[in-house]
Amino acid sequence: EDQVTQSPEALRLQEGESSSLNCSYTVSGLRGLFWYRQDPGKGPEFLFTLYSAGEEKEKERLKATLTKKESFLHITAPKPEDSATYLCAVIGGSYIPTFGRGTSLIVHP
Amino acid sequence: GAVVSQHPSRVICKSGTSVKIECRSLDFQATTMFWYRQFPKKSLMLMATSNEGSKATYEQGVEKDKFLINHASLTLSTLTVTSAHPEDSSFYICSARLPSGNGELFFGEGSRLTVL
Repeated sequence: EDQVTQSPEALRLQEGESSSLNCSYTVSGLRGLFWYRQDPGKGPEFLFTLYSAGEEKEKERLKATLTKKESFLHITAPKPEDSATYLCAVIGGSYIPTFGRGTSLIVHP
Repeated sequence: GAVVSQHPSRVICKSGTSVKIECRSLDFQATTMFWYRQFPKKSLMLMATSNEGSKATYEQGVEKDKFLINHASLTLSTLTVTSAHPEDSSFYICSARLPSGNGELFFGEGSRLTVL
């Protein structure tokens, strides 16, 4: 059974204080690891797909990295508008996505 | 990125009535769509996998007679909550999988159902 564990559950940062969110996973035959951002009352917004260990992707202040066991979402110099819940998901051989519980990020001005 | 439209965004209904939620992929064809339910401050709970032209596959514990899913075309899946009760009140989200690559998921905006 595929499993995804995200940590921390909640994270409070000051504006400009860089940090990382963790996504640990076990999956049979990884086809992709996905990061999403979800604002309250909205559907998740696609951020990144990572396919293989060593891969990195960047978008503005966000950078996602992948190893064989975990992925990190690095947030550099965050702003209050980066406040959201960040979800990690994996798709393995079953093609059924498995989501983590998410990390709730609050960035204080 | 790909666009998935979900409608309605909010619906209030009386106990015992049925409610239909639509999920459309606007700029791609989706042979597979997923329906999720999300409780406050909780992650996404997969309800069912909807495949175009065939019956949906429901997750364990999800009542298929209460949550009717129809995927009649490559761009439209519907979820009908039948004989709704207050405990069915929740945030329902659909997603559609890109047919290419490793199947990135794109989500609708979600539908907030309140059953009085």
